[in-house]
Amino acid sequence: EVVLTQSPATLSLSPGERATLSCRASQSFNNYLAWYQQKPGQVPRLLIYDASNRATGIPARFTGSGSGTDFTLTISSLEPEDFAVYYCQQRSNWPPYSFGQGTKLEI
Amino acid sequence: EVQLLESGGGLVQPGGSLRLSCAASGFTFNNYAMSWVRQAPGKGLEWVSAVSGSGDDTFYADSVKGRFTISRDNSRNTLSLQMNSLRVEDTAVYFCARDVRKYFDDWGQGTLVTVSS
Repeated sequence: EVVLTQSPATLSLSPGERATLSCRASQSFNNYLAWYQQKPGQVPRLLIYDASNRATGIPARFTGSGSGTDFTLTISSLEPEDFAVYYCQQRSNWPPYSFGQGTKLEI
Repeated sequence: EVQLLESGGGLVQPGGSLRLSCAASGFTFNNYAMSWVRQAPGKGLEWVSAVSGSGDDTFYADSVKGRFTISRDNSRNTLSLQMNSLRVEDTAVYFCARDVRKYFDDWGQGTLVTVSS
């Protein structure tokens, strides 16, 4: 089973700043990695798939990158609505699908 | 518009059973695999189970294998999860999610399952 470790657990930034979130895998796999955003009381929303492709309707300030075991979600200039919890998920070696434990992005 | 509506959650004692349902609309249901994903209170996401579009293939997390059964009725656009031998650690919000290339692009609002004596 692929274990995904996200860092940091909590990231404190201000609107307008750049956010860099990390997801590290326990074993290398191809770029079958997704990022989700979950706001309090809401369901997860798919942001990025296949490591770097934005899902429908996702703003260009969200960028996914990485390969092998190290993946990154970058938010270029934080908007107030971006403060949420972010999860990575792999689909390369399944079952099971696995999620990271999440990074809380707080103001 | 894709809509996924879960039902069937509630309070159940350890060792008990519960059946969750997810009513799907707004897309051709049998063209998509579907999954259940859960989230314990204040915790992260955990994939639970998946079923292929035809219903012929099913997959489970080790934590639920042998206790949970996923199924679907494509004539009624409904996904189900039969949960037996429930444990306290199964307490969570259960989401049904549409599986597109093994990513989850649409989610229901979730149904809360509480296992407690």
